[in-house]
Formats: sequence, C-alpha cells, structure tokens
Amino acid sequence: DAGVTQSPTHLIKTRGQQVTLRCSPKSGHDTVSWYQQALGQGPQFIFQYYEEEERQRGNFPDRFSGHQFPNYSSELNVNALLLGDSALYLCASSFGQGEKLFFGSGTQLSVL
Amino acid sequence: AQSVAQPEDQVNVAEGNPLTVKCTYSVSGNPYLFWYVQYPNRGLQFLLKYITGDNLVKGSYGFEAEFNKSQTSFHLKKPSALVSDSALYFCAVRVHNTDKLIFGTGTRLQVFP
Repeated sequence: DAGVTQSPTHLIKTRGQQVTLRCSPKSGHDTVSWYQQALGQGPQFIFQYYEEEERQRGNFPDRFSGHQFPNYSSELNVNALLLGDSALYLCASSFGQGEKLFFGSGTQLSVL
Repeated sequence: AQSVAQPEDQVNVAEGNPLTVKCTYSVSGNPYLFWYVQYPNRGLQFLLKYITGDNLVKGSYGFEAEFNKSQTSFHLKKPSALVSDSALYFCAVRVHNTDKLIFGTGTRLQVFP
C-alpha cells in the first residue's frame, strides 16, 4: 500500500517564476492538506482540499492556489515566486475530517 | 488564538535513559493535541494524539504523552531512549472545527550511545 507520494522531490526556480507541486494521497484517503515548512520552523497550514474544493485556508496569499482531481490527487501552484517561498512543501492526506494525517516526504523548493 | 510552544530547541539524552520533550499549549476550549516525528529527508509521522479521556496517552514506538490541563502541557515521554529515536519532534494542536494543525517549532532529540 503506497503512502502519500509527492513529486518532484527537489525543485529550483528563479524569482517571478511559477511552480506546480503534485501529491497523490494514501490509498483510501479523500482529503489532502498542504503545509509549508521553512528551514528551522514547524509546518504551516496552506490549505485543504476535499471533494475537489478548497475547504479551509491558512494565512497565505492568493499566489498560492491548488486543485484536487477526481482521483483525489492534488496540485499546489505558486505564482510569482519570491525568495521567501523557499521551503519544504508537505502534502498530507486523511479520510474525511480525519484526526490522523499521513504526510509525504515533501518537495524541497529553492527560489534563487 | 491557538498555539503550541516547544521551549527546547534540542534535547540530549543517553541511550537507555528516560526522555522528555516538552510542549505547552494555548487554546480556547478542549484541546486536540498531537505529536509527530520527522526523520531526515522524510515527512512527518504520527506518534500519538490526545482528544479526550485518560491523561496518559500511549503511541507508536514506545512513546507516550501526558496531558496536564492545569499546566496546559502535553509532554512527550519514553522510559528508555534508543539511538534510533534521534529525530525532530513536533507538537501540534488542532484548530477547533477545522482540520488545520498548528505546529510548534520542533525539538531535536539527540540520543547518544
């Protein structure tokens, strides 16, 4: 049983560019949440998708957007990249409003 | 606003000794509290949770946590540390009526042989 998978594992972009990160949830899970983990910090909630809609959102600007597909996989898009967007982006899946999140290994984004 | 604090950046302990990783919380109402562990180049792994009930919660890999309402604490403990326990540990609180978790800044646990 595959867990949460994220791609790519590493990514290097320059300021102003756009990036798309991908996540496949654990089998049987229908809810995907995205977190940003800056170096030396705890993860911060970006948003959550359920039934292909954004259900909750953290304190992130509109440059951060997402999508959930019918197969429950999800994408995180970030436009107009800033140096401060450099971080580990974590995807977590759960079933419904699950209390236990399963995290992927993350995508390390570096913005130069 | 809800928050958690992990007052120690790093905890060092010898293998075989008991370990404690501290966490305090600030929430309105009853807290939903969690501990996660992060190994290098890995995502976070769930260790345990407190929702309601017994103040001592048992979790994965021999870890347990003690909920103390009067001290607003949720410290992670293990009776006998292993070198393989060395990792980054995060305490988190769930925001009421949401699935959003607020994480602490993490505590690096180093277990020496």
